[in-house]
Amino acid sequence: GAVVSQHPSRVICKSGTSVKIECRSLDFQATTMFWYRQFPKQSLMLMATSNEGSKATYEQGVEKDKFLINHASLTLSTLTVTSAHPEDSSFYICSARVGAEYTGELFFGEGSRLTVL
Amino acid sequence: AQSVAQPEDQVNVAEGNPLTVKCTYSVSGNPYLFWYVQYPNRGLQFLLKYITGDNLVKGSYGFEAEFNKSQTSFHLKKPSALVSDSALYFCAVRNSGGYNKLIFGAGTRLAVHP
Repeated sequence: GAVVSQHPSRVICKSGTSVKIECRSLDFQATTMFWYRQFPKQSLMLMATSNEGSKATYEQGVEKDKFLINHASLTLSTLTVTSAHPEDSSFYICSARVGAEYTGELFFGEGSRLTVL
Repeated sequence: AQSVAQPEDQVNVAEGNPLTVKCTYSVSGNPYLFWYVQYPNRGLQFLLKYITGDNLVKGSYGFEAEFNKSQTSFHLKKPSALVSDSALYFCAVRNSGGYNKLIFGAGTRLAVHP
């Protein structure tokens, strides 16, 4: 299947700093990528839909200025957590769709665990 | 609003026995249904999907799922469980009515005991 690479897999930062997470589609082009957040022992919460060449679409309740998403190319989307706080500590997972909009499959990155001290 | 329910937080099964992980859904229009598996501290892996056609869908690692429209269910099954199947399983739905986001269930932890 398609490969989605996410980096870094783990990051620890101090409160108030910014952290960038990269999501790359290695063997296919992804016009649309998705960013999810997963709390311990909970399901995935869709944060935003990242569209190549245009602004991301954020889900209700997700702060656009805090979670900056850039999809500058067909193989790369980035999530920047700005002015991170301990409550931002979480497991962030990106995914990219292969196939048609409604019937295609999502392929996921390995996730990035963010710990804010 | 569309939703997915996985009524069991955890399913325990002995190795070699059949397993079932339950999923029910609620959507308007035709449902597109998916199963994903997540191993600890890893991303999700696609198992199988139902779009149309045969109600019994076969997927990766010997898993299959049966779509039941009248019961609005899409239960995941495997005839003979392996210890290595122990993981977190997510059911997801995307409907065809112009709302193309993938909505995940809460997840079911499958524990297969030797």
